[in-house]
Amino acid sequence: GAGVSQSPRYKVAKRGQDVALRCDPISGHVSLFWYQQALGQGPEFLTYFQNEAQLDKSGLPSDRFFAERPEGSVSTLKIQRTQQEDSAVYLCASSFYGNTEAFFGQGTRLTVV
Amino acid sequence: GIQVEQSPPDLILQEGANSTLRCNFSDSVNNLQWFHQNPWGQLINLFYIPSGTKQNGRLSATTVATERYSLLYISSSQTTDSGVYFCAVANQAGTALIFGKGTTLSVSS
Repeated sequence: GAGVSQSPRYKVAKRGQDVALRCDPISGHVSLFWYQQALGQGPEFLTYFQNEAQLDKSGLPSDRFFAERPEGSVSTLKIQRTQQEDSAVYLCASSFYGNTEAFFGQGTRLTVV
Repeated sequence: GIQVEQSPPDLILQEGANSTLRCNFSDSVNNLQWFHQNPWGQLINLFYIPSGTKQNGRLSATTVATERYSLLYISSSQTTDSGVYFCAVANQAGTALIFGKGTTLSVSS
């Protein structure tokens, strides 16, 4: 596609529910990043993939957060047993490789009630 | 890890005014990007500028890598320039962009 696509755009989850957020990167982009943005804050890094390999997951806040990119293209961020503090916008970005220019999707706004 | 500081945190301008936003970073970088986050939350790429100077219309940016700062210039500001401007730099491993806290710009007519 022309840009990074994320779905759903909005998600309301009850506390304790599991959610899955999808990211379709720009075609041919090797690198894929996930970020979390709380209201009024800058995006915070969660995890990084190079093709299907998850090379950096230092930003994942707990073991309830899990990300995968099994075929080196589409990625899914899964949050288990959601809690209120998980409410945020989740942003996905991709770049051709490594330190080249990164492009962001429109984000998924998650609200946990 | 690398630290990114942006200033000023908030900026209020009249339409037509010029402004300079600053980004300081704590270590050498291979990637620096400026973004504009619009009211709908979309991060719009403004510049990919690890060093040197670039211009795009009313916007220009300069990064002095040896002195660890970057500047974003907005000339003849318009109301559509309102939003949050973020500077982001890559960590040493190249696996993450580290964002500053942003500068919130409000342009009134």
